[in-house]
This record gives sequence, structure tokens and C-alpha cells, in this order.
Amino acid sequence: DAGITQSPRHKVTETGTPVTLRCHQTENHRYMYWYRQDPGHGLRLIHYSYGVKDTDKGEVSDGYSVSRSKTEDFLLTLESATSSQTSVYFCAISGRMAGGPAETQYFGPGTRLLVL
Amino acid sequence: AQTVTQSQPEMSVQEAETVTLSCTYDTSESDYYLFWYKQPPSRQMILVIRQEAYKQQNATENRFSVNFQKAAKSFSLKISDSQLGDAAMYFCAYRSPSSGSARQLTFGSGTQLTVLP
Repeated sequence: DAGITQSPRHKVTETGTPVTLRCHQTENHRYMYWYRQDPGHGLRLIHYSYGVKDTDKGEVSDGYSVSRSKTEDFLLTLESATSSQTSVYFCAISGRMAGGPAETQYFGPGTRLLVL
Repeated sequence: AQTVTQSQPEMSVQEAETVTLSCTYDTSESDYYLFWYKQPPSRQMILVIRQEAYKQQNATENRFSVNFQKAAKSFSLKISDSQLGDAAMYFCAYRSPSSGSARQLTFGSGTQLTVLP
């Protein structure tokens, strides 16, 4: 959906380096999420935010931190990237978009991260 | 914690035929939401259909419909008149409506659907 963008879309980095992924929304929704997708696991929640400066951990939060200083931006940081963090990362927002049903999550296009 | 199980890692269907994808879930809650998302090769997660647990009527969106069996905790997706563009990974997902929760989605591991011409 055009209302959710992620940057970068692809990134290759080395073990031990910090990495920050950005999610930007234009829908003014309160809830934002970061998921990772790995083969055989579907999508798993890393962290979520329920407002500016309000964040909490999800199922697989170890090694990740997040920040939300503005409604529209939700940042995911890998403080020291490891090969196990090679994955596809999705941002999502929760709410109504483009006349669709409420209480539904809509996803960004994803970021493919490779940690060498 | 809720769990979602998709027991069919792969399925195939002939173009114009009908296929049903299975999903079961485990929860102690009585009110919740269920979703099917489609992920084509582009990786974009696309909402296909959703169902509120308090509604007995099965949701329908054009060629897509669900068979929601609350007592059995089953939520299958039926795709009628399959088209080549339906080829994708399909994920079943559960969401609790509880106000104290993150409203997060719990996903199954996915079913890869191939449509044969």
C-alpha cells in the first residue's frame, strides 16, 4: 500500500555492524509493528508501538531495539547485526485504510537484509 | 499463547478449479479476528479476507470464501475458479481483540499454492 513505505528495500551488511530500518506511514495510525519473515515460520513479531515513545517487545525481540519519535516513523535497529538476523523485515500498521475494514493490519513492501 | 497451524506446506490446483487451504488455531478466547493474507512473488502481504469470530456467517470476497468452524477452531480458505494470479504463499493469521494486547497477528507457517495452466 502506498501509505506505508520501508527503507532501505535491500541491504547487505557485515556481522557486528549496526543497522537501522525505517518504516514511514502517511495514515496517522496509532499502532505500528515490526515483523520478521523466515522460511517455515511465517511472520513473527519483533516489536510494536502503540503511540509516540510507546513501544513494547514482541515474540522475537532479542538483539533488536525500536524508537518512535513521530507518529509517522517507526525505526528498527539491530545494534550489532548477526547472521541469524538475515531475514525479510516487514512493517505494518493497524487500522482502516482506503475504505477497507477496520482492525486490520496492512503491511509495507518489506526489507531484505543479508548479514554476512 | 495462541498458535496457528497450516498443515499443508504446498498445494496445487488446476486453473479454473477450486482449492481449499486449511488452517487451525488454538485459543481460549471467545472473541477474536481471523485473516487470510496472500504473498505473491513480489513479497507484498495482501489481505484476502477476514472473519470476526462473533459472526456466524462465513466471510466472502468475490472468488474467495472461508469455512469458519468456531467449535473446531478451523478457518479454511476456498478459492473458486482459480486463476494464474492466485499463485502465491497464503498465510492464516489470528488476532485477539483484547484491549490489553498488542493487537498483534499470530501467523501460521504458510501454504504455497501453485496454479497449473
